[in-house]
Amino acid sequence: GAVVSQHPSWVICKSGTSVKIECRSLDFQATTMFWYRQFPKQSLMLMATSNEGSKATYEQGVEKDKFLINHASLTLSTLTVTSAHPEDSSFYICSAPSRDSYEQYFGPGTRLTVT
Amino acid sequence: AQKVTQAQTEISVVEKEDVTLDCVYETRDTTYYLFWYKQPPSGELVFLIRRNSFDEQNEISGRYSWNFQKSTSSFNFTITASQVVDSAVYFCALNGMNYGGATNKLIFGTGTLLAVQP
Repeated sequence: GAVVSQHPSWVICKSGTSVKIECRSLDFQATTMFWYRQFPKQSLMLMATSNEGSKATYEQGVEKDKFLINHASLTLSTLTVTSAHPEDSSFYICSAPSRDSYEQYFGPGTRLTVT
Repeated sequence: AQKVTQAQTEISVVEKEDVTLDCVYETRDTTYYLFWYKQPPSGELVFLIRRNSFDEQNEISGRYSWNFQKSTSSFNFTITASQVVDSAVYFCALNGMNYGGATNKLIFGTGTLLAVQP
């Protein structure tokens, strides 16, 4: 089946620094990937849609300058949290759509803690 | 607008009890897909089922069963003879075609935390 990986699985960084999270489709190509954020005991909220070869599409209320997305190849999308603050601490999950686009294959998530 | 409502925030049952998790959705799309995911404490989402809007047949997979009723816009999930390992957050999700625009965004419900006590 389709496998999506994320790296790192968890990261702790200091306030004011930037951290990069990678999302890879291991056995298929993905021209589109999705980035979600999940706060404790809450649902997944779509942050942005990553598009290979073009700019990402951000959801309303998501700061594009703070959450930089780069879809460098057909198997890799990265999310960089710039100038991280404690309120950015969250669980970040990426996904890639199935061939028919109706289903999404999810990565295992990255837990970010900003101290 | 598309929306998924999971009214049950938390459910606690004793092992071997049956439990039903409710999911009600709203969409104007005529073609759409519904999903259930399990999220254990590790955080990784586990795909359970996908159902398209034209298939109202109920589905059974082991101890899991799903009841899809378009008339009430519901897609409920039942676990029979629950086990401690079933303890997790369960999300219902909707993906519609958005009038052929193919944005294909997954809309998640708020989730139901199921605690199965031994």
